[in-house]
Amino acid sequence: GENVEQHPSTLSVQEGDSAVIKCTYSDSASNYFPWYKQELGKGPQLIIDIRSNVGEKKDQRIAVTLNKTAKHFSLHITETQPEDSAVYFCAASGGFAQAGTALIFGKGTTLSVSS
Amino acid sequence: GAVVSQHPSRVICKSGTSVKIECRSLDFQATTMFWYRQFPKKSLMLMATSNEGSKATYEQGVEKDKFLINHASLTLSTLTVTSAHPEDSSFYICSASAVGGYTFGSGTRLTVV
Repeated sequence: GENVEQHPSTLSVQEGDSAVIKCTYSDSASNYFPWYKQELGKGPQLIIDIRSNVGEKKDQRIAVTLNKTAKHFSLHITETQPEDSAVYFCAASGGFAQAGTALIFGKGTTLSVSS
Repeated sequence: GAVVSQHPSRVICKSGTSVKIECRSLDFQATTMFWYRQFPKKSLMLMATSNEGSKATYEQGVEKDKFLINHASLTLSTLTVTSAHPEDSSFYICSASAVGGYTFGSGTRLTVV
């Protein structure tokens, strides 16, 4: 089955700096790669996702890049703000369109943005 | 967008009792729902996949007799933790696949005392 590795486990940056979180996956059939932000006691919230037919996607300060050959994808947050502090999870799946295909999550990255 | 409503958000129960957690898809039909378990400061671990009208598929190491999953309709899936023990205390989250991706419930914090 799919296995997703995520690094680093913790990341501390100064406000305004950029933050990068990296993930690798094992199943070459995976084609959907979302990133989630989770705050304490709440369910994960989707912040950005990418499908295997594109290499990069950007939404304001957040971007995700995908390298299918190397089977890795990364989250980039620019101009970080204290409210970006949270736990971030990457995930992979064979695609939401395939019934019964669950998301497999990385272990998470605790991002701390200090002002 | 697609919304999954999960209840209760918090529950405290005594050892040996059973607890039921409900997840409802509010504005779409969820053919498939997924149940995850999350320990403090850990990742979401897939427990099982439930398909409407059929038996759930459990991940390796998950006791199907302890974690009963029912997906009797296209809008409701339930997870029942039977004969709960303190080690079952955890954060349980459901998810459904919908147009555009996956949507998650807000989670249930289960504490077994």
